[in-house]
Amino acid sequence: AQKVTQAQTEISVVEKEDVTLDCVYETRDTTYYLFWYKQPPSGELVFLIRRNSFDEQNEISGRYSWNFQKSTSSFNFTITASQVVDSAVYFCALRRTSGTYKYIFGTGTRLKVLA
Amino acid sequence: DSGVTQTPKHLITATGQRVTLRCSPRSGDLSVYWYQQSLDQGLQFLIQYYNGEERAKGNILERFSAQQFPDLHSELNLSSLELGDSALYFCASSPPVSGNQDEQFFGPGTRLTVL
Repeated sequence: AQKVTQAQTEISVVEKEDVTLDCVYETRDTTYYLFWYKQPPSGELVFLIRRNSFDEQNEISGRYSWNFQKSTSSFNFTITASQVVDSAVYFCALRRTSGTYKYIFGTGTRLKVLA
Repeated sequence: DSGVTQTPKHLITATGQRVTLRCSPRSGDLSVYWYQQSLDQGLQFLIQYYNGEERAKGNILERFSAQQFPDLHSELNLSSLELGDSALYFCASSPPVSGNQDEQFFGPGTRLTVL
């Protein structure tokens, strides 16, 4: 069975601090995709990244970076120099790369960045 | 504005009723996805269509059905509604050539309240 665990329910940081959101997944598939989404207080969902399981290179996009470690089944998300606008719920998700699939979401981590 | 439109924004109905949620993808996008977000179940993937055909199926109840029309808009039909169906329903679309991004663009959602 596939499963995504985001153990951190809520994190509060002060602006400019770095923060890492954890994501641990379970799957028996050899290839799969991992995702991160952001849901700000306004409610809309925003896709952040998709990572293929065979690509373990870390990804950096501005202040955002993602650390994928297949050995520990983790796909962690770090925000550097956090800003108030980063306040949101962040979801990690998993899906197969082929065949019948569905997206499996974690329960989300609420990040509060305080000014 | 993601370019994905959903109507209606809010819907209030009674148990046992049937409703239809509509989604118009971004111009040029062939894939449409439906998600449900509720307090009890969290964020769940329901179903995906690609150019009119069902591509993936998630936790969609038998009381729910969806389709994608030739003009690529999609409808999610929810019938025999129960209190537990109260949720925010998101639609997303993605372009036909995903490359390494598989990026989804989300609509603002339809908030369904079943009384």
